Amino acid sequence: GNSVTQMEGPVTLSEEAFLTINCTYTATGYPSLFWYVQYPGEGLQLLLKATKADDKGSNKGFEATYRKETTSFHLEKGSVQVSDSAVYFCALRAQAAGNKLTFGGGTRVLVKP
Amino acid sequence: EPEVTQTPSHQVTQMGQEVILRCVPISNHLYFYWYRQILGQKVEFLVSFYNNEISEKSEIFDDQFSVERPDGSNFTLKIRSTKLEDSAMYFCASSYSDTQYFGPGTRLTVL
Repeated sequence: GNSVTQMEGPVTLSEEAFLTINCTYTATGYPSLFWYVQYPGEGLQLLLKATKADDKGSNKGFEATYRKETTSFHLEKGSVQVSDSAVYFCALRAQAAGNKLTFGGGTRVLVKP
Repeated sequence: EPEVTQTPSHQVTQMGQEVILRCVPISNHLYFYWYRQILGQKVEFLVSFYNNEISEKSEIFDDQFSVERPDGSNFTLKIRSTKLEDSAMYFCASSYSDTQYFGPGTRLTVL
């Protein structure tokens, strides 16, 4: 079946550090890939997405590239801020699985000043 | 910017009681979803709803669960007889195409 694997957290960084959160997936066909972010006390917000191989999604300084050859969609940000402290979820929507999203376990990121 | 809203934010109930969780999706969206997240676990799909009927459901969504769109704006999840293991955060989502927008969630605590 479809699945998403993310690196476990928590990830603790200093402000202005480089952030990478690894995400790999297993799916049939050509899924769409998403990163959602959950700030403390809030719901899931779409951060970025990519719908086909080699697409790069970007938003708020975050980027992720859809790599079909490695079945990965790693999230990166070059210089994090304290306000980036949140839980980040990688998710996929497989073509053959209707519209439902399959989520990874989430990675908690804590950015210290 | 339009957003998905959910009420209540927190619901406490006794085991065996019925609960109804409410959601107002984004107004021009066509697809509606419920997900849940048990504390410390993954966000799990429960059910999707389109054109006034269930389009897909997971194995979690058994006979104790039901969904309804009683009017043009609300989308509800009912749990008929709650169990301790139903304690979780429940998220509603809606979409027009492939991108789903989530509400802030309802934390359900079953005692």
